[in-house]
Amino acid sequence: GNSVTQMEGPVTLSEEAFLTINCTYTATGYPSLFWYVQYPGEGLQLLLKATKADDKGSNKGFEATYRKETTSFHLEKGSVQVSDSAVYFCALDGTGYSTLTFGKGTMLLVSP
Amino acid sequence: KAGVTQTPRYLIKTRGQQVTLSCSPISGHRSVSWYQQTPGQGLQFLFEYFSETQRNKGNFPGRFSGRQFSNSRSEMNVSTLELGDSALYLCASNTQEREQYFGPGTRLTVT
Repeated sequence: GNSVTQMEGPVTLSEEAFLTINCTYTATGYPSLFWYVQYPGEGLQLLLKATKADDKGSNKGFEATYRKETTSFHLEKGSVQVSDSAVYFCALDGTGYSTLTFGKGTMLLVSP
Repeated sequence: KAGVTQTPRYLIKTRGQQVTLSCSPISGHRSVSWYQQTPGQGLQFLFEYFSETQRNKGNFPGRFSGRQFSNSRSEMNVSTLELGDSALYLCASNTQEREQYFGPGTRLTVT
């Protein structure tokens, strides 16, 4: 079946540091890939997506490239802010109608 | 455009009771998905509805059920509650491009 593996957290960074959160996946076919962010006490927000190999999704300074050869979709940001502190989820949509398979989530903590 | 609305936001129930949660999707969206979020299991898919029909179901016992109305609003029901059903239940409103927009969730506590 489909699965998503994310790096364990928490990831602790200082403001303006470079961020990478690793995500790899196992799936049949050609899934779409997503990053979601969850702030404390809230639901998930769609951060970015990519629907085919070599697509780059980007939003609010975050980027991720769909790498079919390495089955990866790593999230990056050049300069993090305190307000980026949240839990980040990598997900894929491939098995059925609007059925997301999520990774376990990676908590990011950014200090001033 | 209004976002996804879930009611109630918080709920406390006793083991053995049943509960109904409600979700109103974004206007114009006809597909709704439900997920359970727990610290141990993470985010798990429950079911998905499109135009009042369940198209997909996750690996949950029959105590978990749902439905969708003609106005696309959806409800999920959990009968004979167990302590392990304590979770954040998230509803997502889905576009034709299969993007999912989540509501704030309903926090269910079973005592």
